[in-house]
Amino acid sequence: GAGVSQSPSNKVTEKGKDVELRCDPISGHTALYWYRQSLGQGLEFLIYFQGNSAPDKSGLPSDRFSAERTGGSVSTLTIQRTQQEDSAVYLCASSLASSGGSYEQYFGPGTRLTVT
Amino acid sequence: GQNIDQPTEMTATEGAIVQINCTYQTSGFNGLFWYQQHAGEAPTFLSYNVLDGLEEKGRFSSFLSRSKGYSYLLLKELQMKDSASYLCAVRPNAGNMLTFGGGTRLMVKP
Repeated sequence: GAGVSQSPSNKVTEKGKDVELRCDPISGHTALYWYRQSLGQGLEFLIYFQGNSAPDKSGLPSDRFSAERTGGSVSTLTIQRTQQEDSAVYLCASSLASSGGSYEQYFGPGTRLTVT
Repeated sequence: GQNIDQPTEMTATEGAIVQINCTYQTSGFNGLFWYQQHAGEAPTFLSYNVLDGLEEKGRFSSFLSRSKGYSYLLLKELQMKDSASYLCAVRPNAGNMLTFGGGTRLMVKP
């Protein structure tokens, strides 16, 4: 596609359930990032993937959060045993590279997660 | 740690000029980005600075002073559609992970 796509656009789940969020990056982009944005807040880095290298997981808030990137393309962010504080918009971004330069990140529309 | 500060809200008049400031204290510095985010939409790239000075792109300009840990985004000839949040983000190291400020919500009034 022309841009980064994410699904679902909205997800409402009960506390304690697991959720999976999907991201399709721009074709040819080797770097993929996950951020989350709580209401009225800035973006919080979660994890990023660059090619076949081990992902940088330094931003994941707890071991309930994990992510995979299959075949260097599609990524899935999984949140286990969701808590109400996990409610946020989860944004995925991709870029051409991940080593300096003006490689801007292109963001997807996000998944709005609401934990009830 | 990483700390990026920008004003929470600003108001300006259509046709005027507005300057949005950003100060940062990060463990390293490898570039500063400005993004625009309309309500309910994804952030979109506006500008990139890695060297000191002013980068101009149409009605938008961005300035960087690395010694002062300071940047600003200048918007000229404001239009109603410029009402949005403006996010300052620093890339602390050679990887491409960005640390974002809380964003500045700009309201343009007629």
